[in-house]
Amino acid sequence: AQSVTQPDIHITVSEGASLELRCNYSYGATPYLFWYVQSPGQGLQLLLKYFSGDTLVQGIKGFEAEFKRSQSSFNLRKPSVHWSDAAEYFCAVGAGTYKYIFGTGTRLKVLA
Amino acid sequence: GAGVSQTPSNKVTEKGKYVELRCDPISGHTALYWYRQSLGQGPEFLIYFQGTGAADDSGLPNDRFFAVRPEGSVSTLKIQRTERGDSAVYLCASSPGSEQFFGPGTRLTVL
Repeated sequence: AQSVTQPDIHITVSEGASLELRCNYSYGATPYLFWYVQSPGQGLQLLLKYFSGDTLVQGIKGFEAEFKRSQSSFNLRKPSVHWSDAAEYFCAVGAGTYKYIFGTGTRLKVLA
Repeated sequence: GAGVSQTPSNKVTEKGKYVELRCDPISGHTALYWYRQSLGQGPEFLIYFQGTGAADDSGLPNDRFFAVRPEGSVSTLKIQRTERGDSAVYLCASSPGSEQFFGPGTRLTVL
């Protein structure tokens, strides 16, 4: 069955430090992969997506993610975190051509 | 342009009552999805519409949940005999293809 695992429930980093949020998926075919960010009381905002091609994808707000088929991973990275990045981050896999399967999320706290 | 909108933003109801949650998708998007996000969890798929028909309703938890999209645009998620366990944020998304665009959600609280 398809699934997404985000092993880190909470992550705390200092402002200006680098960030990596982990995502592992289980899916039988080539997946569509997504990272979304959700601020308190807000909807889901798409950060970046991978459909095919270059395995390193660039997104908004300075985020990037790398698709590694051999590790079934799609980790999100940012070289220098800003206080405004504090939010919850969700990794998702597109199952077939429609429904998404989401991970349980990683809550990011940024220390000033 | 306008994004996906959902009304109401908040709904408080009593156990056993009936509720309707509305989703207005982005104009021209043929696909529409409903998800449920419980506290501390990621969104879980409920139902997917392609046009007017429900192409996949495998995520609906039981027969108290029903959704319609009669004209292929606006959709309504209906919950009968609400239970406290139905409390969650209900998210709607629309899509022209592979990428889904999410609304802000409706927070449902069942007392």
